[in-house]
Amino acid sequence: DGGITQSPKYLFRKEGQNVTLSCEQNLNHDAMYWYRQDPGQGLRLIYYSQIVNDFQKGDIAEGYSVSREKKESFPLTVTSAQKNPTAFYLCASRLFGRNIQYFGAGTRLSVL
Amino acid sequence: GQQLNQSPQSMFIQEGEDVSMNCTSSSIFNTWLWYKQDPGEGPVLLIALYKAGELTSNGRLTAQFGITRKDSFLNISASIPSDVGIYFCAGQTTNSGGSNYKLTFGKGTLLTVNP
Repeated sequence: DGGITQSPKYLFRKEGQNVTLSCEQNLNHDAMYWYRQDPGQGLRLIYYSQIVNDFQKGDIAEGYSVSREKKESFPLTVTSAQKNPTAFYLCASRLFGRNIQYFGAGTRLSVL
Repeated sequence: GQQLNQSPQSMFIQEGEDVSMNCTSSSIFNTWLWYKQDPGEGPVLLIALYKAGELTSNGRLTAQFGITRKDSFLNISASIPSDVGIYFCAGQTTNSGGSNYKLTFGKGTLLTVNP
């Protein structure tokens, strides 16, 4: 089936640890996005990538890093510099020429 | 930056009632999207609107793109228990280059339907 796969569904981070969230899409979409969702809040953009090997910071990029080595993959690393990482993380993708972003099922990150 | 004001923040209704929610902005958007999010899942697209004044339906859902391009509303008719969830509006615009699409999201409307 075509879609966006995020893994793992649940992730726990120890203090001082970097963790990486996976996002893979087989829709042949061009652009990919990472959002953070906190309770009662809208989605806030962390990073986005329009093409392979290129990405831009969103509104809350501090403490996060990304890479886009392949069109279908856009992993997000939550670094130890992110002091409040507990949140629901959503990955999305979009086909150029279409204004719709499609979302994965999300990863819930908690701190031990 | 751009902001979307979505209201109401939450709604508690009885099964069978109609629901209305809206989003307003100080900025002009060229696309309005409405998503629904179930608990612990990602948002799923309900309706996409592309032209000012456009009125679009999807089953019991109806959404409109405001004439001023600064607002949109979503109506749900004859609500059922599975309508429970968070409904988000999202507006999209482009930068001067035309290729740097980003979505601006409202904070969501939490809908609870009592059977």
